[in-house]
Amino acid sequence: GNSVTQMEGPVTLSEEAFLTINCTYTATGYPSLFWYVQYPGEGLQLLLKATKADDKGSNKGFEATYRKETTSFHLEKGSVQVSDSAVYFCALKPRGTSGTYKYIFGTGTRLKVLA
Amino acid sequence: DAGVTQSPTHLIKTRGQQVTLRCSPKSGHDTVSWYQQALGQGPQFIFQYYEEEERQRGNFPDRFSGHQFPNYSSELNVNALLLGDSALYLCASVRGEETQYFGPGTRLLVL
Repeated sequence: GNSVTQMEGPVTLSEEAFLTINCTYTATGYPSLFWYVQYPGEGLQLLLKATKADDKGSNKGFEATYRKETTSFHLEKGSVQVSDSAVYFCALKPRGTSGTYKYIFGTGTRLKVLA
Repeated sequence: DAGVTQSPTHLIKTRGQQVTLRCSPKSGHDTVSWYQQALGQGPQFIFQYYEEEERQRGNFPDRFSGHQFPNYSSELNVNALLLGDSALYLCASVRGEETQYFGPGTRLLVL
């Protein structure tokens, strides 16, 4: 079946530190992959996505590369800010499911950035 | 351009009651999905509506039902509420093979 595994949090970093949040997936075929961010008390916001192997998604200084060999989609940022404190979700949309939108989410990783 | 909107933002119910949550999709979107996000967990897919019909369903009991209107807005109904139904309920919308966008959610507390 399809599943997403994320590193457990919370992750606590100092401002300007380097961030990595690991995400690996299990899926039939080659899914589309996403990172969503959820700020306190809010819904999910799309952060970035990649739809095929070796694609790199990027947005607001965050980036993630679709690695087919390792079935991974790790999120990275070179210098985090206090405003990046949030919960980050990795998700997949199975390939070959045109017309359906049953995204599979990981359990989320909480990031706390200290000034 | 308004994004996905949901109402109400918060709701408190007691066990056994029924609840209706509402969602208006992003402009131009015709497909709506509902997700349940329990505290500390990732969202779980409930079902998806397109052309006013349920197209796909996750592992949720029949107490969870929905509806889509001709203007693409949608409702989620939950009957016979249980304490375990307490969660953030997220609506998401999309058109075609574009990326799904999420609303801010409705936080339901069942006492």
